Amino acid sequence: EVQLVESGGGFVQPGGSLSLSCAASGFSFSNYYMSWVRQAPGEGLEWVANIKHDGSEKYYVDSVKGRFTVSRDNAKNSLYLQMNSLRADDTAVYYCARGGATKFAYWGQGTLVTVSS
Amino acid sequence: QSVLTQPPSASGTPGQRVTISCSGSSSNIGSKTVNWYQQLPGTAPKLLMYDNNQRPSGVPDRFSGSKSGTSASLAISGLQSEDEADYYCSAWDDSLNGWVFGGGTKLTVL
Repeated sequence: EVQLVESGGGFVQPGGSLSLSCAASGFSFSNYYMSWVRQAPGEGLEWVANIKHDGSEKYYVDSVKGRFTVSRDNAKNSLYLQMNSLRADDTAVYYCARGGATKFAYWGQGTLVTVSS
Repeated sequence: QSVLTQPPSASGTPGQRVTISCSGSSSNIGSKTVNWYQQLPGTAPKLLMYDNNQRPSGVPDRFSGSKSGTSASLAISGLQSEDEADYYCSAWDDSLNGWVFGGGTKLTVL
């Protein structure tokens, strides 16, 4: 069974940093693109970033370029999102998703990030 | 303002057929396949339809998808109360070099 478990969310002040993790199991992690998708409270879905199976290619939505960094550790079956210079409009539930080349086939339960003073 | 345009709401009675539209442009739906996601209240999204009209294992055949030009549609026949959810369309956008979503359609079963 595919499982994706996010962690690392929390409360942070504007300008601060936070690091999210996603632990994957139930599939061959190193064979898949992985992605982060977020959802602001009461709003729709927004793709944030994805990373190729070997980490050689990374893509970001314009609003996070230069502030967020996606990475992965295939030996640990883990996906990461380092978020710097956080802004109030980064407040959202962040979902880890398997895929990103053609579709988001599986999603984690999400972790809430709140940016507020 | 979402890149893909969906109606904010849709509704139907049990047993009815409802359709949700998704409009895009040549850089996304016009040249790429469309995926649909279902988000039940308080839960994470789930892949409902991929490659325009392919259902993942476990998705009932009451759900169907189609695409024509720069628009796509999700149809739900034999509407059931458990279909009450938010539905999102999505596609890769070549101009933005990223994934885009519709704003979501809240389906209410009356």
